[in-house]
Amino acid sequence: EAGVVQSPRYKIIEKKQPVAFWCNPISGHNTLYWYLQNLGQGPELLIRYENEEAVDDSQLPKDRFSAERLKGVDSTLKIQPAELGDSAVYLCASSQGDSYEQYFGPGTRLTVT
Amino acid sequence: AQSVTQLGSHVSVSEGALVLLRCNYSSSVPPYLFWYVQYPNQGLQLLLKYTSAATLVKGINGFEAEFKKSETSFHLTKPSAHMSDAAEYFCAVSSYNFNKFYFGSGTKLNVKP
Repeated sequence: EAGVVQSPRYKIIEKKQPVAFWCNPISGHNTLYWYLQNLGQGPELLIRYENEEAVDDSQLPKDRFSAERLKGVDSTLKIQPAELGDSAVYLCASSQGDSYEQYFGPGTRLTVT
Repeated sequence: AQSVTQLGSHVSVSEGALVLLRCNYSSSVPPYLFWYVQYPNQGLQLLLKYTSAATLVKGINGFEAEFKKSETSFHLTKPSAHMSDAAEYFCAVSSYNFNKFYFGSGTKLNVKP
């Protein structure tokens, strides 16, 4: 089966510009996660969806970050405007229900100049 | 609150030598513990998990880990390192319902020929 798909894989933008990341989870996985991974650090949860509902967005910086998961399948994470400190890898993961096993995508590496 | 500490951001071993990657956790309740591996430019992949069954857990690629409650540790070991084991390894702890994962900062394993 296909894994978690993310695009783009790499993105370079200037500060203050908007940027969007897309994630397609594994078919049938109703739980979707967006993580932020700074260089030399482990992933940190930004937002978790169960179907189309954001059930945990407590760590999402809502002044500039937004996310959506229309129809409970694909998801988009947006940053507007981007700041230099947003340079990181953005990981998407999915799981089936309450399963402990999360499947991670390859990530989008964002560089803000 | 839950947290994970990985001692040693870089570990270097010779091919065929023992691999030992350290992980200590702090948790107010009995935790679930995980080890993930991340190869360059790829997402995280689950190596093994502890979910309150056997304290010695075997995973993929010959890795195993032992849950020691008295030491609040979950160290990852492999008897004989292979060149293909070179990657970054993350320890993680989750809540009982797997809703939230807390990752350590990672340990990069280098395997010398």
